[in-house]
This record gives sequence, C-alpha cells and structure tokens, in this order.
Amino acid sequence: AQSVSQHNHHVILSEAASLELGCNYSYGGTVNLFWYVQYPGQHLQLLLKYFSGDPLVKGIKGFEAEFIKSKFSFNLRKPSVQWSDTAEYFCAVSSGTYKYIFGTGTRLKVLA
Amino acid sequence: SAVISQKPSRDICQRGTSLTIQCQVDSQVTMMFWYRQQPGQSLTLIATANQGSEATYESGFVIDKFPISRPNLTFSTLTVSNMSPEDSSIYLCSVAWQGMNTEAFFGQGTRLTVV
Repeated sequence: AQSVSQHNHHVILSEAASLELGCNYSYGGTVNLFWYVQYPGQHLQLLLKYFSGDPLVKGIKGFEAEFIKSKFSFNLRKPSVQWSDTAEYFCAVSSGTYKYIFGTGTRLKVLA
Repeated sequence: SAVISQKPSRDICQRGTSLTIQCQVDSQVTMMFWYRQQPGQSLTLIATANQGSEATYESGFVIDKFPISRPNLTFSTLTVSNMSPEDSSIYLCSVAWQGMNTEAFFGQGTRLTVV
C-alpha cells in the first residue's frame, strides 16, 4: 500500500533560518507529488507540485522541492523562513487517480 | 482553481445523532472527495463521489456510516451517522478535474466534536 512519511512533526526556527522538511513515499509506479500548507484557521493551499520533468520544482512564497526518484523523496526547502511561514505542511502523493495519500504533517513555528 | 464552501464550519453534536456536511463548489467538477483528519493525524480519504455513480469507499469506511450524495456537478453531502466521540475530526471536501497535470483543491473543513 502507498504511504507517505514526514519525519519532522514539529520544527521551530528563527526568522532567516533555512528550512528543509523531509518527505518519503512508498509506491513503485509513477507518482504525482505535492506539498500543501495550512495556515492557522485557513484551508489547505497548494505550495507546489511535481508531475514530470525537472525534478527541482519551485512553488509559491519562495518554496522549492526536489524529487529524488532513487530515494523516493520529495523534500521541501526554503532558504530563509519568515514569521508568516508559521503553518502546518503536508506532503501528499497520488498515483494519477486524484486520490491523495497524505503524510502526517509538520508543524512549523517561526520565531520572530 | 475552485472556491469550495463547506457547511457547517464546525459543530458540536450528541453521540448517537447524525450530521450532514455540505460541500458547494463554484464551478462544475468531475470528481469530489471526502477526507477525514482526526486529531493529531493526517488526512485520510473516506470516499470518492463522482456525479451519476455510487460513491466509492476506501478500506475502513462504509456507506451505512458515511452516506454520500452527489446530485450534481457542483454539490455533495457527507453524513456522519450514529456518531460517537471517535468521529470527532475535521472533515474536508476536495475537488479535482480529470486531465493532465491538475491538482486537487480543498475546502476549509468542518470541525466536528461529538460529546
């Protein structure tokens, strides 16, 4: 069965620190990969997505993610976080059926 | 993109009762999905609801407990039946269009507390 692992459940950073959130998935076929963000009190929003092509994907608000097929990973990065990045981040995988398998989420707190 | 409205946004219900959650989309969509997010856990797909066909339930979810309606291309309901405290969760509606390189969109969720 497909699964998604997010290794960091809670992350606390100071402003301007660099961020990397890990995401690993288990699925042997072609996958689509996503990172969603949920700001406090708001709905899930798409940060970035990977379907094919360049494995380095750039999303909104300065986020990027790299798909490494050999490692079944899709880690999220941002060179310099801001207080406004405080949110919960979810990695998700689909195999083309639009049914998503989500990771457990990472709560990021950025200290001003 | 899509604007998805869920009602109610939150509710507190007595055990043994049922709650129907509505999902309204501002445009016609092919596929609608219902997810559950239990406290401290990830989102789990309950079922896929495509217009004109019966909902397809994921393992661990049954129609008697979570009946779903999809009367048209912009609306769906999920009912949580005979509720128990274990049903306390956030329930999210999601929509997607068939095609290449598209993603799903999510509603703001319904926070359900069963007492």
